[in-house]
Amino acid sequence: DAGITQSPRHKVTETGTPVTLRCHQTENHRYMYWYRQDPGHGLRLIHYSYGVKDTDKGEVSDGYSVSRSKTEDFLLTLESATSSQTSVYFCAISTGGNYGYTFGSGTRLTVV
Amino acid sequence: QKEVEQDPGPLSVPEGAIVSLNCTYSNSAFQYFMWYRQYSRKGPELLMYTYSSGNKEDGRFTAQVDKSSKYISLFIRDSQPSDSATYLCAASGAGSYQLTFGKGTKLSVIP
Repeated sequence: DAGITQSPRHKVTETGTPVTLRCHQTENHRYMYWYRQDPGHGLRLIHYSYGVKDTDKGEVSDGYSVSRSKTEDFLLTLESATSSQTSVYFCAISTGGNYGYTFGSGTRLTVV
Repeated sequence: QKEVEQDPGPLSVPEGAIVSLNCTYSNSAFQYFMWYRQYSRKGPELLMYTYSSGNKEDGRFTAQVDKSSKYISLFIRDSQPSDSATYLCAASGAGSYQLTFGKGTKLSVIP
């Protein structure tokens, strides 16, 4: 997707290990978001950022932390991965919610 | 109750049919309404954007918002197999930096 990349695209990790997912944008958008998408639940907001070093929790933030040290990068860390965190994770960027989001291609994470 | 409700389907239609996808919302502050299309194993992409009530047309797609009944619709005319995807509705209020999403409706267009 133009202007936003997620890495890695796929990852398998073991229960109890820390995992970091990266979102990188070249659009200089102020807002960045991390979602997880699961069957039956749709997109659920984990954390979001409204500027460098400015972050806040979403509806499913337990077990996750984020950091944004530069405008272009937003990192999501699973502090100690659990099987319930097996999901597809999407990063999104925005100039403001009124204008919609641009989503990345997603990271498919499996915790075994 | 989620602020945006959407029937998950799945919905299966023959090629060439008119498709109607719908959402309801409960937050009266919502003024901006969007439809996203998500192909399998891809990220959602913005398909249609509407401000307040009314219709917006783009090719075979028409987005409709009725604020009086808090109803959001997406119509697809002459549906094609390439329209097979999950469609998510979304809404936000003025000045908000967050979208509220429906859970998505999975559509299959059968050749």
